[in-house]
Amino acid sequence: DSGVTQTPKHLITATGQRVTLRCSPRSGDLSVYWYQQSLDQGLQFLIQYYNGEERAKGNILERFSAQQFPDLHSELNLSSLELGDSALYFCASSATDGRGPGYTFGSGTRLTVV
Amino acid sequence: QQPVQSPQAVILREGEDAVINCSSSKALYSVHWYRQKHGEAPVFLMILLKGGEQKGHDKISASFNEKKQQSSLYLTASQLSYSGTYFCGTEPFMDSNYQLIWGAGTKLIIKP
Repeated sequence: DSGVTQTPKHLITATGQRVTLRCSPRSGDLSVYWYQQSLDQGLQFLIQYYNGEERAKGNILERFSAQQFPDLHSELNLSSLELGDSALYFCASSATDGRGPGYTFGSGTRLTVV
Repeated sequence: QQPVQSPQAVILREGEDAVINCSSSKALYSVHWYRQKHGEAPVFLMILLKGGEQKGHDKISASFNEKKQQSSLYLTASQLSYSGTYFCGTEPFMDSNYQLIWGAGTKLIIKP
């Protein structure tokens, strides 16, 4: 157990639907990062939150949004789902908003859009 | 700009050594190394913060050449458990967002 909790582990949904992925960072970590990883591909950075505020955006589609709550857990909302959104979605946490410590990843949510 | 990892893939026999390289076109503050097994989360291995630094983790070590903006990961006497995809993540000096920029990964297969 890495200390980063992601739920659900698996999600199967139909095209056009909306889903919410949840992430609880490791205790004491203030930053949460969201990544998308398609089959056998690299990590695509979506968005970062630090202590409740959006800190950086990557290649995140307009259909996707995220937020970090006062208890520091984060949710990634994916709407109007398309087949191409099928992927592993990881969140990672770190202690700071930037340079320094390594990231701790959660076990991921595998999203399948049918 | 994405760092370049080489090789893209390597197949070894148990006990053999491997080197994985990560090169950036930008001046780097740090280089991170992670290992990801199939279907699992990436796991942090080590971070190198300045030129010339070397670190070790069991029989896995790494170096960072700041003149070349290149880091190398060394896997000595590889074990079956070393199989997976290795990613480097780089932190350029000039990026204000301090985001890791990830390489495409190097797939390592260890055969008995």
